[in-house]
Amino acid sequence: KQEVTQIPAALSVPEGENLVLNCSFTDSAIYNLQWFRQDPGKGLTSLLLIQSSQREQTSGRLNASLDKSSGRSTLYIAASQPGDSATYLCAVTERNSWGKLQFGAGTQVVVTP
Amino acid sequence: ETGVTQSPTHLIKTRGQQVTLRCSSQSGHNTVSWYQQALGQGPQFIFQYYREEENGRGNFPPRFSGLQFPNYSSELNVNALELDDSALYLCASSLGIYNEQFFGPGTRLTVL
Repeated sequence: KQEVTQIPAALSVPEGENLVLNCSFTDSAIYNLQWFRQDPGKGLTSLLLIQSSQREQTSGRLNASLDKSSGRSTLYIAASQPGDSATYLCAVTERNSWGKLQFGAGTQVVVTP
Repeated sequence: ETGVTQSPTHLIKTRGQQVTLRCSSQSGHNTVSWYQQALGQGPQFIFQYYREEENGRGNFPPRFSGLQFPNYSSELNVNALELDDSALYLCASSLGIYNEQFFGPGTRLTVL
């Protein structure tokens, strides 16, 4: 059974510092991995999607890497800003799973001015 | 291009009642998935509809049921509400079952 873990559960950094968020999964037979952002009480905003054949994806200040063999993904956010404060969730799509997303519990990030 | 929308935003029900939540998928998307998110947890997959058929289901009892309409909008119905059904219900649409999923703002359900 696939388990997705995100450590730490919460993180506080000063503005300008780079953020490093970790995601691990137990079964490497994934189709893709997505990173999401969630503001309190709101829906999910897709940040990056990495296909299983890819090693990384980049969008602006965001970069996500994927090491399928070790069951890890890392989301890097460069030069953090107070507006980056949110909960970040990763989710994997397993093969033969109807495309359902299996989520971690998220990392709550606070960027202090 | 219109994103995923959900209605209502909030609702309050009492135990034993029934509720219907609605989702309009992003234009052109033929797949809708529903998720339940309890406070402080990641979303849990309820089920998925692809071209009006239930395509997959998570570990939720039969009192959770759904529909997808020809325009690919969808409903989630929950019968015999329990206190533990209190959660944020999210729907996500995609073009095909393995493609990137785009989420709506959610419906916050409170069961008293």
